[in-house]
Amino acid sequence: ELKVEQNPLFLSMQEGKNYTIYCNYSTTSDRLYWYRQDPGKSLESLFVLLSNGAVKQEGRLMASLDTKARLSTLHITAAVHDLSATYFCAVDGKIIFGKGTRLHILP
Amino acid sequence: GAVVSQHPSRVICKSGTSVKIECRSLDFQATTMFWYRQFPKQSLMLMATSNEGSKATYEQGVEKDKFLINHASLTLSTLTVTSAHPEDSSFYICSADSQGVGGYTFGSGTRLTVV
Repeated sequence: ELKVEQNPLFLSMQEGKNYTIYCNYSTTSDRLYWYRQDPGKSLESLFVLLSNGAVKQEGRLMASLDTKARLSTLHITAAVHDLSATYFCAVDGKIIFGKGTRLHILP
Repeated sequence: GAVVSQHPSRVICKSGTSVKIECRSLDFQATTMFWYRQFPKQSLMLMATSNEGSKATYEQGVEKDKFLINHASLTLSTLTVTSAHPEDSSFYICSADSQGVGGYTFGSGTRLTVV
């Protein structure tokens, strides 16, 4: 059974700080996705990672994929309040989601 | 980019009635769509995979007679919650496989409240 584990599940951090969210998955997968969800809203696609060593960056967010370790990371650089949201990783197949990381950035 | 339109965005219904939720791919064809349910502060749980022209594939523990899925065309899938009960109150989200144009695209979600 495919499992996707995210940590931390909750993260409170100050503006300007850096942090990393981790996503481990249990079986081989062709694709790894990162999504953002704001309260009461649906999911917004952030990144699609397709191969080992893939790295994608958009603004203050950078995602990477290590398929050998079955690990993806979402790195936040110099956090700003607007990044407060819940972040989900998901792997391909049936699109199995991690539990999500609720990120709260303090001014 | 790919757009998935989901309606209604909010619905309140009485216990025992049925509710239909529509999910449309607006600028691409989707042979496969997915239906998820999300309870407050929880992750998305896949309910079923909707396949155009054939029966949906339900995940373990999801009652197929209660959650009727129809995927009659390449751009439309519907989820009907039959004989709704308060415990069916949740946020329902559909997604479509738009890998030809960039991966999976999610609808805006439907918040169902059963009273």
